[in-house]
Amino acid sequence: AQSVTQLDSQVPVFEEAPVELRCNYSSSVSVYLFWYVQYPNQGLQLLLKYLSGSTLVKGINGFEAEFNKSQTSFHLRKPSVHISDTAEYFCAVIRMNRDDKIIFGKGTRLHILP
Amino acid sequence: DAMVIQNPRYQVTQFGKPVTLSCSQTLNHNVMYWYQQKSSQAPKLLFHYYDKDFNNEADTPDNFQSRRPNTSFCFLDIRSPGLGDAAMYLCATSRDRLGHSGYEQYFGPGTRLTVT
Repeated sequence: AQSVTQLDSQVPVFEEAPVELRCNYSSSVSVYLFWYVQYPNQGLQLLLKYLSGSTLVKGINGFEAEFNKSQTSFHLRKPSVHISDTAEYFCAVIRMNRDDKIIFGKGTRLHILP
Repeated sequence: DAMVIQNPRYQVTQFGKPVTLSCSQTLNHNVMYWYQQKSSQAPKLLFHYYDKDFNNEADTPDNFQSRRPNTSFCFLDIRSPGLGDAAMYLCATSRDRLGHSGYEQYFGPGTRLTVT
């Protein structure tokens, strides 16, 4: 079975500073990887996904993530955050070519400090 | 814009009084999902429909039922809500099975259920 670990439950960052949200996964087979964002009282919205190919994936709102197979990681980064980035961020994984359900991490709450 | 719509956004029901939450989609996606999300937690899958094929998660209580009368609509019925069922309920869709092509899920804005 696959699993996802988001090591940080909360990350405080000053506005305009860079941020990295960490995600590690475990799976015996190849996976697809996703980052979703959830703003207060809203549903989840896809930020970016890794299917194959280039390990650096660019998403919406200036976010990017890098797939590292050897470290089984898919960390999310943004070079300069804004107040509007305040939200919960979920990393998710699903095994390729299986009828599994997607597995979400527990989420990381990003606090932007003025 | 194609989207996933959930009604109502906020629902208050009494302990033990049946309640129905609705979801509709204009994406014409094959798969529809219902998730329960409690405060500061990840979404928890309750069940999903692949077209008309219903798939229940093993740990979904019998108190939760679902109907999908057509491609566009899906309903979540809670037969006898308890205080522990208070949560955000999220509906989502995907074009096809997630693991086969890396399709992403599209989420509705959610219905926040309060049980009094």
